[in-house]
Amino acid sequence: AQTVTQSQPEMSVQEAETVTLSCTYDTSESDYYLFWYKQPPSRQMILVIRQEAYKQQNATENRFSVNFQKAAKSFSLKISDSQLGDAAMYFCAYTGSARQLTFGSGTQLTVLP
Amino acid sequence: ETGVTQTPRHLVMGMTNKKSLKCEQHLGHNAMYWYKQSAKKPLELMFVYSLEERVENNSVPSRFSPECPNSSHLFLHLHTLQPEDSALYLCASSQGLSNTEAFFGQGTRLTVV
Repeated sequence: AQTVTQSQPEMSVQEAETVTLSCTYDTSESDYYLFWYKQPPSRQMILVIRQEAYKQQNATENRFSVNFQKAAKSFSLKISDSQLGDAAMYFCAYTGSARQLTFGSGTQLTVLP
Repeated sequence: ETGVTQTPRHLVMGMTNKKSLKCEQHLGHNAMYWYKQSAKKPLELMFVYSLEERVENNSVPSRFSPECPNSSHLFLHLHTLQPEDSALYLCASSQGLSNTEAFFGQGTRLTVV
């Protein structure tokens, strides 16, 4: 079974600075997708960024980018120029042949003004 | 507004009550999901419906009973719940089951007393 591990329960960053959230996963599959979701206090899970495992190029979405290391099974999220609105719980997620999302336990990000 | 609406937003029920959670998606998706989110635990997939057929049941207790009358609506019927069932219940939808991102509702915060 696939597992997703987020080893940082809490992180903080100064506004306008850069922060990196860690995620590792365990799988024997070669074809899969990875996601970062954001859950603000409103509780709605919002997709931040998505990476296809067959793509070597790291995905980017404006201030959000990932460092995808397939061999190391690592998928970290970098948030540049952090804003107060980035404060939320961030979840790393995996989906493969089982066709269901497996989530990590989340990282609570605090943005300090 | 992500196109997935859940009602009610909050629910308090006694252990002998019967209640239902409702989810509606306006995205034209053909797969819908129920997730349970408990404090400090990864999201747990409870049920998956694709094209009105339940395709997954992750050993969820029978006191939770899903219903999917059509591709736009999903219900979770609750009866004789336990206090440990108190959690945030999230509904999600996606286009197909394979490797596509899920769109989430804002959840129902359930408290069992």
